[in-house]
Amino acid sequence: GAGVSQTPSNKVTEKGKYVELRCDPISGHTALYWYRQSLGQGPEFLIYFQGTGAADDSGLPNDRFFAVRPEGSVSTLKIQRTERGDSAVYLCASSPGWSPNTGELFFGEGSRLTVL
Amino acid sequence: AQSVAQPEDQVNVAEGNPLTVKCTYSVSGNPYLFWYVQYPNRGLQFLLKYITGDNLVKGSYGFEAEFNKSQTSFHLKKPSALVSDSALYFCAVRDLALGSGGGADGLTFGKGTHLIIQP
Repeated sequence: GAGVSQTPSNKVTEKGKYVELRCDPISGHTALYWYRQSLGQGPEFLIYFQGTGAADDSGLPNDRFFAVRPEGSVSTLKIQRTERGDSAVYLCASSPGWSPNTGELFFGEGSRLTVL
Repeated sequence: AQSVAQPEDQVNVAEGNPLTVKCTYSVSGNPYLFWYVQYPNRGLQFLLKYITGDNLVKGSYGFEAEFNKSQTSFHLKKPSALVSDSALYFCAVRDLALGSGGGADGLTFGKGTHLIIQP
């Protein structure tokens, strides 16, 4: 499709398990973002990729969270030793690149993670 | 640090009436400002943005927003509401004064305002 694709749309896991969430951005978009949206809150920035490199990972809450984008396209957000507090909707967004003339992010529908 | 406040959790408007969804921001430099909308079971969609220039910005679906630097506000408006406008609306900001890193590359979003248009 033409939009940002995220899989799985829903993931239920047990505390302590490992989870991977995948994002397939719009073709040609060099910038990719991960956000986390908890119930009743706005999206919270996690990490930003420009190409293959993580240009800004300051929003990752702790070292259990890690993200990769090895070929500059698809990205995977990895969460180790999941905790109940990790339950949220994880949003991926892409854009042609961060510049004054862009700034518009194209969001996927999100991956809802529930940690039991 | 940059921040956004949306003081209303919910706004109720009768169909055909004008609507306003409020947003105020705090940045150290000049702001980029955005409005996004989230329909049920759909991803966030871009509505409009203010980068520079005219304070009144027009966007998708007949929405507009007015940048007011003295009041640090960027309220979303529409002259005549439709039932289909009912959704969750998010205001977001990025501080132009910040370089890369430290969370500056991402947008800072408000908590969102539920807009309910009553037939």
